[in-house]
Amino acid sequence: AQSVTQPDIHITVSEGASLELRCNYSYGATPYLFWYVQSPGQGLQLLLKYFSGDTLVQGIKGFEAEFKRSQSSFNLRKPSVHWSDAAEYFCAVGAEEYGNKLVFGAGTILRVKS
Amino acid sequence: GAVVSQHPSRVICKSGTSVKIECRSLDFQATTMFWYRQFPKQSLMLMATSNEGSKATYEQGVEKDKFLINHASLTLSTLTVTSAHPEDSSFYICSAGGGLAQYFGPGTRLTVL
Repeated sequence: AQSVTQPDIHITVSEGASLELRCNYSYGATPYLFWYVQSPGQGLQLLLKYFSGDTLVQGIKGFEAEFKRSQSSFNLRKPSVHWSDAAEYFCAVGAEEYGNKLVFGAGTILRVKS
Repeated sequence: GAVVSQHPSRVICKSGTSVKIECRSLDFQATTMFWYRQFPKQSLMLMATSNEGSKATYEQGVEKDKFLINHASLTLSTLTVTSAHPEDSSFYICSAGGGLAQYFGPGTRLTVL
């Protein structure tokens, strides 16, 4: 069965500090990986995606993520967090073999303290 | 580009009534749209895949007669919650496929009294 694990429900970082949000997946097909961000009461905004090629992908708002096949991970990073980054972050996995349906992780709520 | 809209953004209805939610892809055509449901402090759960010109495909445990999906054009899919009950109160989000990437609408908050 396909599953996505985000082990951290909440993370608090100081403004200006670096950030890493963890994502592990279990998938029976070649995965395509995504990170989305959701502000309260809003829809989801795509931060970045990995389909193939370079395993380090750059996204919007200064985020990047690295695909590590051996670890089944796709962790999201940002070198310096801004207060406006406070939101909930979702990792998701999809595959053409499964009709491009996305399976989401439980989400990680990021709090930024000044 | 790749903008998806939903209407309404919020709706409050009485128990037993039906509610229609629209999902539109504004600047691209989407043969496939997805409907998700998100309970408070939880992740998104896929309800169904909406295919233009054909019947929707529902995920296990989702009642197709309760959640009617129509995808009549390449830019519009609708979700109708029939005979809504308080337990149907939730945040409903649609997405439209642009190839492998999906673009999400802003969501519709449904409250059933």
